Amino acid sequence: DVKVTQSSRYLVKRTGEKVFLECVQDMDHENMFWYRQDPGLGLRLIYFSYDVKMKEKGDIPEGYSVSREKKERFSLILESASTNQTSMYLCASSGAHYGYTFGSGTRLTVV
Amino acid sequence: AQSVTQPDIHITVSEGASLELRCNYSYGATPYLFWYVQSPGQGLQLLLKYFSGDTLVQGIKGFEAEFKRSQSSFNLRKPSVHWSDAAEYFCAVESANNNDMRFGAGTRLTVKP
Repeated sequence: DVKVTQSSRYLVKRTGEKVFLECVQDMDHENMFWYRQDPGLGLRLIYFSYDVKMKEKGDIPEGYSVSREKKERFSLILESASTNQTSMYLCASSGAHYGYTFGSGTRLTVV
Repeated sequence: AQSVTQPDIHITVSEGASLELRCNYSYGATPYLFWYVQSPGQGLQLLLKYFSGDTLVQGIKGFEAEFKRSQSSFNLRKPSVHWSDAAEYFCAVESANNNDMRFGAGTRLTVKP
């Protein structure tokens, strides 16, 4: 069964901390994505990557960065966590136009 | 750029009743269209997709969707809803030129016993 695995289901971090959210896929997909999901706002694209060491900004990249050193791994980094970054974070990967495979999500709370 | 509108934020249906969730998209060419379902606390699962050809597509869990180009719509249907269908449903459109997918805001489905 193909999978996208997010390293943590729940995280609680303090304001100002540097936070790493990890995502690993086992489908040899080229494309990987990070979204955040908030009630009433749906899914908003933070960053995406079409290849190793390649990254593109999505709709809401401010306060975030990403790293893709290996094809299977796409990390989201919150440089200095703030309370408005409390959210559900979803990682996804895809091949060509076959739809996305999502991880189970990481619910991050910043206190 | 493509965009998606799901007009209904929340729908309640009785178990055994039929269901239709609405989705309208905006895109200059024929898009790739998808429906996803999200159970509480989980990621999204792909229900079905439309690329081309037959405008009525079948998906998992007994769902189907119909692409209507003239109405820019891709509505999701199920003839008889089960209590386990209670979840949030997302329509999405993907550009034919890249893998940039845009999601609607979602429709939350409640199923009454």
